[in-house]
Amino acid sequence: GAGVSQSPSNKVTEKGKDVELRCDPISGHTALYWYRQSLGQGLEFLIYFQGNSAPDKSGLPSDRFSAERTGGSVSTLTIQRTQQEDSAVYLCASSAQLYGYGYTFGSGTRLTVV
Amino acid sequence: KNQVEQSPQSLIILEGKNCTLQCNYTVSPFSNLRWYKQDTGRGPVSLTIMTFSENTKSNGRYTATLDADTKQSSLHITASQLSDSASYICVVTGEALNFGKGTSLLVTP
Repeated sequence: GAGVSQSPSNKVTEKGKDVELRCDPISGHTALYWYRQSLGQGLEFLIYFQGNSAPDKSGLPSDRFSAERTGGSVSTLTIQRTQQEDSAVYLCASSAQLYGYGYTFGSGTRLTVV
Repeated sequence: KNQVEQSPQSLIILEGKNCTLQCNYTVSPFSNLRWYKQDTGRGPVSLTIMTFSENTKSNGRYTATLDADTKQSSLHITASQLSDSASYICVVTGEALNFGKGTSLLVTP
């Protein structure tokens, strides 16, 4: 596609439920990042995928968070047993080359845990 | 339509030189503008955040300016170092987050 696509755009879930957020990067982009931005906060790095290398999971806030990237393309961020503090905008970005050339963000998924 | 345009798309400079990155936006209403530095494979690091009333903010060798009237911001890097090689992203907060596509900076010896 022309850009990074994320779905759903909005998600309201009950506390304790699991949610899956999807990211479709730009075709051919080998690097994929997940971030989140809570109200009034800056971007918080979550996880980074680069090609077939093991992902950098250093930013995941707890073991309730996990992410997969299938076939080097689509990525899914899963949050288990959601908590109210998980409410945030979850952003995905992809890039093609070294130094992040063509670095593009998706429009995000706004997650609200009630 | 809310947009954030960054220029140049990429830049190569010699170590020790200065450079300026540009961010123009059409976001309304405006809450704040942040510049981030992202090293390859790492999460973005916030360099500066400015609200409507702030014109200049410095963070070491990084100086950001904001002209809320013309809706322009710049990030000036002084005495560049090899470690400055990264992507620099401008993010404008309005009713939602609005991201620029970034400027890729390469500092060479």
